[in-house]
Amino acid sequence: QKEVEQDPGPLSVPEGAIVSLNCTYSNSAFQYFMWYRQYSRKGPELLMYTYSSGNKEDGRFTAQVDKSSKYISLFIRDSQPSDSATYLCAMSTSGTYKYIFGTGTRLKVLA
Amino acid sequence: GAVVSQHPSWVICKSGTSVKIECRSLDFQATTMFWYRQFPKQSLMLMATSNEGSKATYEQGVEKDKFLINHASLTLSTLTVTSAHPEDSSFYICSARPPGQSPYEQYFGPGTRLTVT
Repeated sequence: QKEVEQDPGPLSVPEGAIVSLNCTYSNSAFQYFMWYRQYSRKGPELLMYTYSSGNKEDGRFTAQVDKSSKYISLFIRDSQPSDSATYLCAMSTSGTYKYIFGTGTRLKVLA
Repeated sequence: GAVVSQHPSWVICKSGTSVKIECRSLDFQATTMFWYRQFPKQSLMLMATSNEGSKATYEQGVEKDKFLINHASLTLSTLTVTSAHPEDSSFYICSARPPGQSPYEQYFGPGTRLTVT
């Protein structure tokens, strides 16, 4: 079993839809949870980060962490064609800077 | 925001030759840099952690003699793929971490696409 599982998609939604992206994990020691956006043939760009459990909102993006279920989510409101990219979740334990990435979910927002 | 660059952005080399990839933090000093490899439609896999002035720490299964990492200064780390083979063809991405920051303060470079023929 992989430490971090993420549905690779692709996920196609119409413009303006609410998008839900998810990751599950098996290592209960993970404390830091990040979401990255990666455009084709580019490096990942940090979107959101959360420490431990809870919700965090930043503009159209909301990150949620449910440690009891070992489940994290990224919600995108009012999705735009420019949001079309691969979204990667990443996790890290306290005291280390080693990231474990999910495989990424390809999102396509249709105009 | 912090900027990390990589050079070259893409490279094609013949089997058996060596290739050097540079990773630079442009506007901050990075005590720690990381090297990842990403195969098509797969996740980023950490290859090694590079600390300035000391030997790199390699992940299990990564051949240290094949992937030579040198973190010569606080703004530069290099990855040399020695005796490259077609199976080494991949997207190599580095990231850099400013000192004293939280684990999520890690900035990624744009990546280097290596094709070995």
